[in-house]
Amino acid sequence: AQSVTQLGSHVSVSEGALVLLRCNYSSSVPPYLFWYVQYPNQGLQLLLKYTSAATLVKGINGFEAEFKKSETSFHLTKPSAHMSDAAEYFCAVRINNNDMRFGAGTRLTVKP
Amino acid sequence: GAVVSQHPSWVICKSGTSVKIECRSLDFQATTMFWYRQFPKQSLMLMATSNEGSKATYEQGVEKDKFLINHASLTLSTLTVTSAHPEDSSFYICSARDDGEKLFFGSGTQLSVL
Repeated sequence: AQSVTQLGSHVSVSEGALVLLRCNYSSSVPPYLFWYVQYPNQGLQLLLKYTSAATLVKGINGFEAEFKKSETSFHLTKPSAHMSDAAEYFCAVRINNNDMRFGAGTRLTVKP
Repeated sequence: GAVVSQHPSWVICKSGTSVKIECRSLDFQATTMFWYRQFPKQSLMLMATSNEGSKATYEQGVEKDKFLINHASLTLSTLTVTSAHPEDSSFYICSARDDGEKLFFGSGTQLSVL
């Protein structure tokens, strides 16, 4: 069965530091992978998605993620954290047209 | 971008009462909407797929008589938690799919059953 696992329910970084949010997937077929972000009191927004085109995917707000088949990973990174990046981040894999499996989420805190 | 409005954002109710949560696509038509719930520190879990004009498709283990879903129009789906119990307390979130098969999420509803 397809699934994703997010390592670390809470990540804290200093402003300007590298952001690394980890996601590993389990899939018997080439997966469609997504990262979503949820800011306080708002809905989930799509950050980026991998659909088997390029392994390095660039998203909004300076985030990017690299699909590594050998490591079954799709980690989310940003070179320099900003205070406005503080949010909950969800990794997800699309099962079919009607279903997605989400990770448990990682809360990112950015310290001044 | 497209907006999905979910209301209410939080609700507290007595055990045994029913609670209705609305999910509206504000600037697009959504033939398909999805309902998820999330327990603390756990994943978002799909509860059901709501199709406009037809019965919802429930995931295994989700009680259809307890979680009533109505998708009467192309812009509105409702989830009614009937005879709520404390164990129904959770975060419920909806999403809607546009013609391009992109998903847009509501802001979620925190339900607390006393």
